[in-house]
Amino acid sequence: GQQLNQSPQSMFIQEGEDVSMNCTSSSIFNTWLWYKQDPGEGPVLLIALYKAGELTSNGRLTAQFGITRKDSFLNISASIPSDVGIYFCAGQLRGSGGSYIPTFGRGTSLIVHP
Amino acid sequence: ETGVTQTPRHLVMGMTNKKSLKCEQHLGHNAMYWYKQSAKKPLELMFVYSLEERVENNSVPSRFSPECPNSSHLFLHLHTLQPEDSALYLCASSPEKLTAYEQYFGPGTRLTVT
Repeated sequence: GQQLNQSPQSMFIQEGEDVSMNCTSSSIFNTWLWYKQDPGEGPVLLIALYKAGELTSNGRLTAQFGITRKDSFLNISASIPSDVGIYFCAGQLRGSGGSYIPTFGRGTSLIVHP
Repeated sequence: ETGVTQTPRHLVMGMTNKKSLKCEQHLGHNAMYWYKQSAKKPLELMFVYSLEERVENNSVPSRFSPECPNSSHLFLHLHTLQPEDSALYLCASSPEKLTAYEQYFGPGTRLTVT
């Protein structure tokens, strides 16, 4: 099966700093998605990317779909304490039956010190 | 509140018990998913139900049995589980789109098998 390498595994930063995390794969994907999970909750979709090279922003978040379709990154600018959580990338491919099958990275745990 | 609800939120069961997890989505989506989330591991897709097909992860043991009576409800029937099945079980739904499925997750059921 496909595997995603997400890095870094964890980050400890000061409030106000910028953050960058990425996912790489040995295989190509049709779509990249980025999620954030707070403790005790399910992941929440942050950004969806549909085309190679696409750069999309959502507030202080910016994500890009790598041109090779094998990688994606997520940047968070001017971090704040509520950015704390686990961030997941997910690549999707369309299966033979037509459904999109996601593969998730292991997550990046972000801790922001006030 | 993402529009996807799961019950119960917490479940403790013995290895000889039979229980069911329930998921309901109020978003008008056409696809529903079960995921297993264990510590230090990527989200593991277990089952997908969509208008087009049902997809099973072949590595999921038969002691997990899904049921999708309609597009708004999804169940995961559990029987004779093992302690290693203890995990957070997440349900998700998504609209079927030509380009990708963006999953919307419920809060999860924290399952402990004793």
